Amino acid sequence: VQLVESGGGLVKPGGSLRLSCAASGLTFNDYTMNWVRQAPGKGLEWVSSISSRSSFIHYADSVRGRFTISRDNARTSLYLQMNSLTVDDSAIYYCAGSVSRLSVLGVGPGLEWGQGTLVTVSS
Amino acid sequence: DIQMTQSPSSLSASVGDRVTITCRASQSISTYLAWYQQKPGKVPKLLIYLASTLQSGVPSRFSGSGSGTDFALTITNLQPEDVATYYCQKYDRAPGLFGPGTRVDIK
Repeated sequence: VQLVESGGGLVKPGGSLRLSCAASGLTFNDYTMNWVRQAPGKGLEWVSSISSRSSFIHYADSVRGRFTISRDNARTSLYLQMNSLTVDDSAIYYCAGSVSRLSVLGVGPGLEWGQGTLVTVSS
Repeated sequence: DIQMTQSPSSLSASVGDRVTITCRASQSISTYLAWYQQKPGKVPKLLIYLASTLQSGVPSRFSGSGSGTDFALTITNLQPEDVATYYCQKYDRAPGLFGPGTRVDIK
């Protein structure tokens, strides 16, 4: 199983980024997918999740209205469109997969994790 | 809003000790709780789900218990490789909140 995030980088406050997560070695459409972030030296923060067929989509209050999660099961890929970025969004963003049978209403325990992509928001 | 707390925030114990970390939810989450281990500079690793089910490949010295609002992760016979930060996470419904973490060191 491999989850590979991409799309991170340096962006100015108010800017946008689109993160991608390419999945392989798993039956992607059997997984609820999550974005979890971790600011430098801080704890884990759940950001967003999407169920296997996109029936359930959830966001943390801190990103709702600014971030959009989506997935393409045919391409076995997960995405996070991030708009109106602030310095508080600076973090490593991890893609994490939860087996759907263990997930509840589109939220589940992260069994598989990518290595993360770093987002830095700074002027 | 629901809150997740963990205690202690950090602990130091000797090799071979039994260590217990607690996690509390501000409202009932049944048994929809997971525990993760994150070693320095590494990606989080799922240890336990459904409060007490050990993930495949995780050493049996790790165990979880609890339901409702109070949960515990116990490490029996603490080993040097268990130095890490441990997080709980609720997943009964969104948001999938994590606890603030407990750092475990060796004396």
